Amino acid sequence: GESVGLHLPTLSVQEGDNSIINCAYSNSASDYFIWYKQESGKGPQFIIDIRSNMDKRQGQRVTVLLNKTVKHLSLQIAATQPGDSAVYFCAEVYNQGGKLIFGQGTELSVKP
Amino acid sequence: EPEVTQTPSHQVTQMGQEVILRCVPISNHLYFYWYRQILGQKVEFLVSFYNNEISEKSEIFDDQFSVERPDGSNFTLKIRSTKLEDSAMYFCASRVGTGHNQPQHFGDGTRLSIL
Repeated sequence: GESVGLHLPTLSVQEGDNSIINCAYSNSASDYFIWYKQESGKGPQFIIDIRSNMDKRQGQRVTVLLNKTVKHLSLQIAATQPGDSAVYFCAEVYNQGGKLIFGQGTELSVKP
Repeated sequence: EPEVTQTPSHQVTQMGQEVILRCVPISNHLYFYWYRQILGQKVEFLVSFYNNEISEKSEIFDDQFSVERPDGSNFTLKIRSTKLEDSAMYFCASRVGTGHNQPQHFGDGTRLSIL
């Protein structure tokens, strides 16, 4: 079936620490993955994406890792800041139409 | 930076009434989407739209729902006879369309409250 799930519903970290948010996906045909950040009252905001022909991609303070063998995706945030507090969703795409299948979300809370 | 804009930000409607949610996608984007998010839940796909027709729809998108691109800039979602369970955040998204592996960009949503 279609499902993208997250291992941890909440994550609390100290400011300056690194954060790791995990995601499991179920469709082995998925070939494109996106991480979104959603702040309260806002829409999902694109953070970083990765295609299935890659296993790692880095952005500014963020890194996404893809393990196709175990169908696992993770988002690493370096030197987490209070502004990183939000709900983080992973999403997968497996068809040309681009329909996103979202996971449940992980709430990241950053303590000053 | 270009963004997707949605209006209104909050819509309150009586059950059984029609509601139209409006979106202005990013101007050079070709694929358009509606999603909804019930409070505290994940974002769910409703419909995708390309080349002036629906390309895919979910089970949620029944015959009470319709979408339209009435001109070169707006993309609307209509619910003909609203139900209590239609209460949710509705998000519009668009992508440039050069391939399905391009990110969708979302608006900030319309909160729909059905009384």
